[in-house]
Amino acid sequence: EVQLVQSGAEVKKPGESLKISCKGSGYIFTNYWIGWVRQMPGKGLEWMGIIYPADSDTRYSPSFEGQVTISVDESISTAYLQWSSLMASDTAMYYCARLSGYDLGSYYFGYWGQGTLVSVSS
Amino acid sequence: QSVLTQPPSVSGAPGQRVTISCTGSSSNIGAGFDVHWYQQLPGTAPKLLIFGNSSRPSGVPDRFSGSKSGTSASLAITGLQAEDETDYYCQSYDSSLSGWVFGGGTKLTVL
Repeated sequence: EVQLVQSGAEVKKPGESLKISCKGSGYIFTNYWIGWVRQMPGKGLEWMGIIYPADSDTRYSPSFEGQVTISVDESISTAYLQWSSLMASDTAMYYCARLSGYDLGSYYFGYWGQGTLVSVSS
Repeated sequence: QSVLTQPPSVSGAPGQRVTISCTGSSSNIGAGFDVHWYQQLPGTAPKLLIFGNSSRPSGVPDRFSGSKSGTSASLAITGLQAEDETDYYCQSYDSSLSGWVFGGGTKLTVL
């Protein structure tokens, strides 16, 4: 059974750094792109970026380029999303998801993690 | 402003059929990229409902169906049930943005 298990909720102050994780199991981790999706309170879904665990090829949404860093440790089947300096506007639920499809243009988010709630407040 | 446009809300009575539209442009749906649909129940992660325009993952009831034409796509739900009352999102790929885009989401209310 494919599973993506994310790290727990975080409460941070503005300016602090943060790294959240997403551990995959039940499939060959290096064979599928992993994506991150943001959902701000009461709002819709926003694609942030994706990473291919086999070679760490990473693509970012223009909206998030330079704002976050996506990385992976294939030895423990885990993808990461990190911030160097959080802002209150980063308060949101963050989901990781495994992509499926036959090429990038057909890809969809087939399996999702349970989400990590990040709260940033002074 | 989402790249893919969905109606904020739709409604229907139990047993009826409703459709949710997803309107894009020549750089996404109109370019031939697939459209996918997700259902998000309150407080939970989104769940894949339709992939590749019209295919259903195993376990998704055949009351849910998807279609695509030109620069738009639609999700149809027949035999509406109370448990269908939640949020739905479409998703595709956009060549101008070189990335994946979601619709703004549609809240379905079962009257």
